[in-house]
Amino acid sequence: DVKVTQSSRYLVKRTGEKVFLECVQDMDHENMFWYRQDPGLGLRLIYFSYDVKMKEKGDIPEGYSVSREKKERFSLILESASTNQTSMYLCASRTGVDPYEQYFGPGTRLTVT
Amino acid sequence: DQQVKQNSPSLSVQEGRISILNCDYTNSMFDYFLWYKKYPAEGPTFLISISSIKDKNEDGRFTVFLNKSAKHLSLHIVPSQPGDSAVYFCAAIYTGNQFYFGTGTSLTVIP
Repeated sequence: DVKVTQSSRYLVKRTGEKVFLECVQDMDHENMFWYRQDPGLGLRLIYFSYDVKMKEKGDIPEGYSVSREKKERFSLILESASTNQTSMYLCASRTGVDPYEQYFGPGTRLTVT
Repeated sequence: DQQVKQNSPSLSVQEGRISILNCDYTNSMFDYFLWYKKYPAEGPTFLISISSIKDKNEDGRFTVFLNKSAKHLSLHIVPSQPGDSAVYFCAAIYTGNQFYFGTGTSLTVIP
């Protein structure tokens, strides 16, 4: 079974803090993704990576950066957290070929106060 | 701009009846479609998918229908069970990488 783990289930941070969200997958997947989920907006792609040290912006990259130094690990960084970044953050991974389904981690509920 | 839309935020169905969840998309380049199921406090899990070269795919109680001319996708669950109560997201993909998700439909199956 594919396992995608995220470093924290719940996180509370203050405005202006630097926040690191870690994601690890154990299936040697090439592709990894960071989404945020907000009510009424569904899942929106922040960044994705198709290889080590490679990254691509998704639909809402502003205020975020990512790091992929190892194949199994993909980190999301909030350089200076703001209250509008309070959300559920979901990491996902998949292979680079068919089938296309993504495997998701359990999510991190981040609250910025 | 939302390329994948789920216009019904919620749906309630009696146990044993059919649940039909709908999804519309705008980009004719999408070539693969997926449905995900999400319980509270968990990540989404893959449910069923369909390639654009097909119009139907079935897996047990779940069937996905694709109408390319209408740019419409639907998920049928028969018979519906209380454990099916969850949020369902449809997703579409092209270029092999970026997924586009709908906003989700919350299904409640009433015992």
